[in-house]
Amino acid sequence: QQQVKQSPQSLIVQKGGISIINCAYENTAFDYFPWYQQFPGKGPALLIAIRPDVSEKKEGRFTISFNKSAKQFSLHIMDSQPGDSATYFCAASRGNAGGTSYGKLTFGQGTILTVHP
Amino acid sequence: KAGVTQTPRYLIKTRGQQVTLSCSPISGHRSVSWYQQTPGQGLQFLFEYFSETQRNKGNFPGRFSGRQFSNSRSEMNVSTLELGDSALYLCASSGGQGGTDTQYFGPGTRLTVL
Repeated sequence: QQQVKQSPQSLIVQKGGISIINCAYENTAFDYFPWYQQFPGKGPALLIAIRPDVSEKKEGRFTISFNKSAKQFSLHIMDSQPGDSATYFCAASRGNAGGTSYGKLTFGQGTILTVHP
Repeated sequence: KAGVTQTPRYLIKTRGQQVTLSCSPISGHRSVSWYQQTPGQGLQFLFEYFSETQRNKGNFPGRFSGRQFSNSRSEMNVSTLELGDSALYLCASSGGQGGTDTQYFGPGTRLTVL
């Protein structure tokens, strides 16, 4: 019940296109959903995160859409750029009663995004 | 602020040996989490420490252990290394309280077991 399933495994888009990565979770106790970006040789870096009390969050070219009833959330990258080529991970965690994460992130399997110039 | 630092960056060990990895969190952060990253299994949670106490643990055998010091620095130890332990070991730090949820990852330690 701790799984987070991510798709697709790999994605190729043209510069200026929209990249869409989807994730589904099973544990309804999850209440924090971050997306991480990882470049080769680096650790993952937080891109954007959402809590289940909102259905969408936008930061620049990155948008998270969240569907609580379907237990799904997705990352949209608008106007994709070659510099966005990286591996993207969705994740989920469960906070305590005070709303603070216990520091255990459950990750999806990752999506390798390639943006062609 | 300086980011999360991990040492060493690369390690080569042989089966049966043990290894200790070190992580220095961002100044002021009290929570340190460890993850194992492999091509086959992806990113898997090992354990989390907060104020020198293990607060959460993943599904790894007892050969994997960790600890946290009073300055929040953390170490993880893997005993009796197996070939399958070859992986990138990532450490992440966060405030651990006051609603701070973001985990900041270090660059990782690449462990190769021969």
